[in-house]
Amino acid sequence: QKEVEQNSGPLSVPEGAIASLNCTYSDRGSQSFFWYRQYSGKSPELIMFIYSNGDKEDGRFTAQLNKASQYVSLLIRDSQPSDSATYLCAVTSRGNNRLAFGKGNQVVVIP
Amino acid sequence: SAVISQKPSRDICQRGTSLTIQCQVDSQVTMMFWYRQQPGQSLTLIATANQGSEATYESGFVIDKFPISRPNLTFSTLTVSNMSPEDSSIYLCSVEGSGTDNEKLFFGSGTQLSVL
Repeated sequence: QKEVEQNSGPLSVPEGAIASLNCTYSDRGSQSFFWYRQYSGKSPELIMFIYSNGDKEDGRFTAQLNKASQYVSLLIRDSQPSDSATYLCAVTSRGNNRLAFGKGNQVVVIP
Repeated sequence: SAVISQKPSRDICQRGTSLTIQCQVDSQVTMMFWYRQQPGQSLTLIATANQGSEATYESGFVIDKFPISRPNLTFSTLTVSNMSPEDSSIYLCSVEGSGTDNEKLFFGSGTQLSVL
């Protein structure tokens, strides 16, 4: 089992809709969870982080963490064409405190 | 967050040659990290560069292939040696934030490497 899994394929959403991305992780002891946005040809940019169970909102982004079920999700409300990017889930590894990244989910917002 | 400058931004290299990638940070940091992102894949940690000691390599990566220098607290280089087409990838330098950002990882602009 991979440390961090993002299984769904490219996600197409109409402008103004909600984009929902999911991520599961294998290390039950993981403490810190991050979402990065990566535009094509660019480096990853940190957009959200969450440490506690529940929801955390920042502008149009909401991160949701459920440690019992070992998943973390990202919601993008009122999706804009500028949100079209790949979103990477990252989780700290308890063993060495290093970040493990998922493969990412591509989001395409259709005007 | 720190400002991380990385160069070159891209290069096209011949098989068997080596390329050195430079990473400069605008503040002193204890550790600098080198990642690889192969096409369609996620980020894989190559090694951690510590100032004043040998770099720590992750499983599957060796110093002979990816020698790293860390001469001071603001600079590091990664060399991709004896390149083959399988080394075509994006190489990223990163550092951890400080203070309340200390668990967050910030990335340089990346180096897009193509090996012919």
